[in-house]
Amino acid sequence: EPEVTQTPSHQVTQMGQEVILRCVPISNHLYFYWYRQILGQKVEFLVSFYNNEISEKSEIFDDQFSVERPDGSNFTLKIRSTKLEDSAMYFCASTGWDHLNYGYTFGSGTRLTVV
Amino acid sequence: QKEVEQNSGPLSVPEGAIASLNCTYSDRGSQSFFWYRQYSGKSPELIMFIYSNGDKEDGRFTAQLNKASQYVSLLIRDSQPSDSATYLCAGGNTGNQFYFGTGTSLTVIP
Repeated sequence: EPEVTQTPSHQVTQMGQEVILRCVPISNHLYFYWYRQILGQKVEFLVSFYNNEISEKSEIFDDQFSVERPDGSNFTLKIRSTKLEDSAMYFCASTGWDHLNYGYTFGSGTRLTVV
Repeated sequence: QKEVEQNSGPLSVPEGAIASLNCTYSDRGSQSFFWYRQYSGKSPELIMFIYSNGDKEDGRFTAQLNKASQYVSLLIRDSQPSDSATYLCAGGNTGNQFYFGTGTSLTVIP
């Protein structure tokens, strides 16, 4: 079964440092997403990406965040200057053309801890 | 504001019983609804989706949708201890993002 792969599984970083979270979506999928889940809270939308550009973003996705699909396979989320409140599980997800009929496939997540 | 509301639980049922999980949504433009299962520390895993009014069955799982009442439910028949997890309800419309509820914690007692 095709998978969405995320690396690293756990990242610890100091406040103010830049982090890059990496994802390899399912190869024939077209839409890519980043969600985050603070411990004990709901899964929150950050950004969606289609056709090499951001299609939607939430209020959480401010200027400190950016996404890239640099090489046609990887999909990255960069946080420029991390804050304590960025500590969360970050999930990458992807879907094909008909997301309303098939939903997302989530990756296993990256646990980001900002100290 | 597009919201999906779920009773956070915890919900406890004995093994073999039916577990009933409920969800309401605020956006009448939502077209499809998804139930994800999430084990502690793991990513959400899609169980079922539904977009037509009525019931949809898949094995031990039945999703129910009532668009007039803006209500979605998931029934798990013959509940097993391995079904113990948090169940997330999500709604989607023609935009790209899904809106997740906070999840209902289910414990199946052997």
